[in-house]
Amino acid sequence: ETGVTQSPTHLIKTRGQQVTLRCSSQSGHNTVSWYQQALGQGPQFIFQYYREEENGRGNFPPRFSGLQFPNYSSELNVNALELDDSALYLCASSFGQIPTHNEQFFGPGTRLTVL
Amino acid sequence: RKEVEQDPGPFNVPEGATVAFNCTYSNSASQSFFWYRQDCRKEPKLLMSVYSSGNEDGRFTAQLNRASQYISLLIRDSKLSDSATYLCVVSHTGTASKLTFGTGTRLQVTL
Repeated sequence: ETGVTQSPTHLIKTRGQQVTLRCSSQSGHNTVSWYQQALGQGPQFIFQYYREEENGRGNFPPRFSGLQFPNYSSELNVNALELDDSALYLCASSFGQIPTHNEQFFGPGTRLTVL
Repeated sequence: RKEVEQDPGPFNVPEGATVAFNCTYSNSASQSFFWYRQDCRKEPKLLMSVYSSGNEDGRFTAQLNRASQYISLLIRDSKLSDSATYLCVVSHTGTASKLTFGTGTRLQVTL
């Protein structure tokens, strides 16, 4: 296994609620990237954190926000949940500000269902 | 138009068959290319990188054509365990090394 853990594994929320997803990166890694994977689609890049700073963002609205902590674990927060936010949320752990893909190791994901 | 396009399949092939997947990408600034494998309800895992010179890993061969912006994956002697979704992935290094995934091609290998 990759050593990247995510919690919770599954979550059910209702529209308008807020959610926080967590990711613990692999030991020695200082970069975390978050992806959203809707059913039948490939993962889409949400944002990346390097040494506690946002280091790039995909095409997601501001209600998607994140944090990275001094131990390099990370949180993804989504406010005002919409039905279309139902997806598998993946985090990927890597080392360096511009990591090569080979160093991006994915966690098992959190499956979010919005009712 | 999606940045990475793949035929979603499914490709249903008998065990032992050879199967090929293709994908195209639109961003000519793309620098790195890969195939990931994703089993049902699991995370994507790197299968192999793709180079212009072509590269092989056992039964798997990947090829990149930069001029045509086209990537391929060939699987020989398919096994039941090859059944999965194969994701074509590109990246271009900027501020963040984001991976851009295709929709994936589903492969089902049968007896």
